[in-house]
Amino acid sequence: SQQGEEDPQALSIQEGENATMNCSYKTSINNLQWYRQNSGRGLVHLILIRSNEREKHSGRLRVTLDTSKKSSSLLITASRAADTASYFCATDRRYSTLTFGKGTMLLVSP
Amino acid sequence: DVKVTQSSRYLVKRTGEKVFLECVQDMDHENMFWYRQDPGLGLRLIYFSYDVKMKEKGDIPEGYSVSREKKERFSLILESASTNQTSMYLCASSYRVEKLFFGSGTQLSVL
Repeated sequence: SQQGEEDPQALSIQEGENATMNCSYKTSINNLQWYRQNSGRGLVHLILIRSNEREKHSGRLRVTLDTSKKSSSLLITASRAADTASYFCATDRRYSTLTFGKGTMLLVSP
Repeated sequence: DVKVTQSSRYLVKRTGEKVFLECVQDMDHENMFWYRQDPGLGLRLIYFSYDVKMKEKGDIPEGYSVSREKKERFSLILESASTNQTSMYLCASSYRVEKLFFGSGTQLSVL
């Protein structure tokens, strides 16, 4: 069953612009993670935010979490062509497994 | 860096064949996972394992089985491959479920 749902499904921007992706989920969580997937490859962990945190930064990435609204956002600042990828949010669930959303496809044009 | 290696990048099999997908990790992780990824459906958990010889069903275990005889190796088995099992299969491992390390994936086509 899908827990997280990303929005938008696809996003197209120019290099240098900021990209914002959103994730909504349904049940309470301990943490929420974001992953990146380059075309046809495996996923790479980007950042984790715990349920008692509201905001977290890692390089050009900024993640926010609003547990009252059951939502999170991932902001990529000053996007580069190399940021072109699909981005997934993942929430922890029973038996300590992760449930992934369907992803946002980001296209950054030079 | 953690390395998760999936034995095949691309695989083509015939309907009814028994298919083995192998996954090996080199970081002594207890947890290992098999997901399948389909367009429009995202990643769905097939099976996972917390220890050697231990396995748990995920969301879509039907038609699959797994084997974990050694800590570093987690195999996904399609007992009798069907066309609806054509998919990208992703293996992952973790120490805790706070950061999964994924393999590069196996694109399986069942004809």
